[in-house]
Amino acid sequence: DGGITQSPKYLFRKEGQNVTLSCEQNLNHDAMYWYRQDPGQGLRLIYYSQIVNDFQKGDIAEGYSVSREKKESFPLTVTSAQKNPTAFYLCASSAGTGGNTIYFGEGSWLTVV
Amino acid sequence: KNEVEQSPQNLTAQEGEFITINCSYSVGISALHWLQQHPGGGIVSLFMLSSGKKKHGRLIATINIQEKHSSLHITASHPRDSAVYICAAPTQGGSEKLVFGKGTKLTVNP
Repeated sequence: DGGITQSPKYLFRKEGQNVTLSCEQNLNHDAMYWYRQDPGQGLRLIYYSQIVNDFQKGDIAEGYSVSREKKESFPLTVTSAQKNPTAFYLCASSAGTGGNTIYFGEGSWLTVV
Repeated sequence: KNEVEQSPQNLTAQEGEFITINCSYSVGISALHWLQQHPGGGIVSLFMLSSGKKKHGRLIATINIQEKHSSLHITASHPRDSAVYICAAPTQGGSEKLVFGKGTKLTVNP
C-alpha cells in the first residue's frame, strides 16, 4: 500500500544534540512537507520541497535543516540551535502544485530531556 | 497570508447526534482541506473541496466560496468519530502551502 512512513515514532534527545527524523513516501509525490504541532496551535510549516534537490523555508525554519536527495525521502534534522524542540512533527506529501490531496505520516514525538 | 478560524474549539455530543464544525478563512482559495487527527497523532485527509458539497459515508463537507466559509457535518455520530478535526486552506491562491486551523476536538459519548 502507498503511504508515508515516519520514524522514529518516539524520540528522546539530550539538550545540545542534533537529531534526524526520517520521512519516506512511496506515492511518487513531488511535494513534501514538514510540520510542527504544539498543544493548542495549528500545524506550522517548517520546510517544504516541491522537487528533488530543492527546498524552501517555511514559517518556522530556524534551528532545522532538511535535504531532498531522493524523491521519496525528506529527512528533517532538529539541530541544537532549535530553542524549543519538544513537539510533535508531521511529514506530509502531495502530488504537486495547487489543489491536491495531502497525505500525512503518523508523526514523530520528540522530547528533549 | 490566509487566516483560518475554526469553531467550536471543543465539542461534546451524545451518540447519534448531528455534528457541525465550522471553518472560515480570509483569502480566496482554490481548495479547502478537512483533516481528521486521531488520538495517536496521525492525520487523515477527509475532504478537499473547492465548491459545493462532498459526501463520504456519514461525513458531509460544504463550502461557500463567496462567504469564505466551510462546514463539516457528521450525521448519526458515533464514539469512533471522536478525534480532532482540522481545516486547512492554501496560504494564497493555488499555493501548495497550507495554513491550518487550530482544530476542533470532538468527543462523542455512548
